Amino acid sequence: EVQLVQSEAEVKKPGESLKISCKGSGYSFTSYWIGWVRQMPGKGLEWMGIIYPGDSDTRYSPSFQGQVTISVDKSISSAYLQWSSLEASDTAKYYCARRGVVGGHWEAFDIWGQGTMVTVSS
Amino acid sequence: DIQMTQSPSTLSASVGDRVTITCRASQSISSWLAWYQQKPGKAPKLLIYKASNLESGVPSRFSGSGSGTEFTLTISSLQPDDFATYYCQHYNTYPLTFGGGTKVEIK
Repeated sequence: EVQLVQSEAEVKKPGESLKISCKGSGYSFTSYWIGWVRQMPGKGLEWMGIIYPGDSDTRYSPSFQGQVTISVDKSISSAYLQWSSLEASDTAKYYCARRGVVGGHWEAFDIWGQGTMVTVSS
Repeated sequence: DIQMTQSPSTLSASVGDRVTITCRASQSISSWLAWYQQKPGKAPKLLIYKASNLESGVPSRFSGSGSGTEFTLTISSLQPDDFATYYCQHYNTYPLTFGGGTKVEIK
């Protein structure tokens, strides 16, 4: 079964660092882009960025460039989203998702992780 | 960046109704558009890709149409399981932005 499994919920204080994970299985992890999506409480979906595990090519939304870092560890089929200094406004649920491919063209996000809730509060 | 605008933001409908949601792009995205369904507390689920292609396993009452800047998602006969929030997303160029969402509520 193709799936993405994310790390558990986190509760952090402002100023702390954090790295959450997304582990792929059931497919060739290095051959598909993995993206990250933020959903703040009661709000819509926001595209944060994406990474290609094969060569670590990474693209960020201008809204998140410099605010987070996306990385990957091919050896354990895992992608990561990290913050160096959290703020209360980072409180949200974060999803990873795989970008599908059809007929050799990159398509929409076809497989999603279950989400990781990050709560930042003093 | 390409902006995606969905309408309406909320829609009240009854079981059996035909429902249409619109998504507009700020510039042409050809057919590089997807529709997702999200239920409370759950991850989004892909319904339609490349504007009109039904994802495997998705009921045929869902359909998508459009190209360029204007797109629609239609549910031909609304079922109890369809009450959810729907999002469009373009994937023409980075960043791959989402629309603001349309919540389909029970009338």
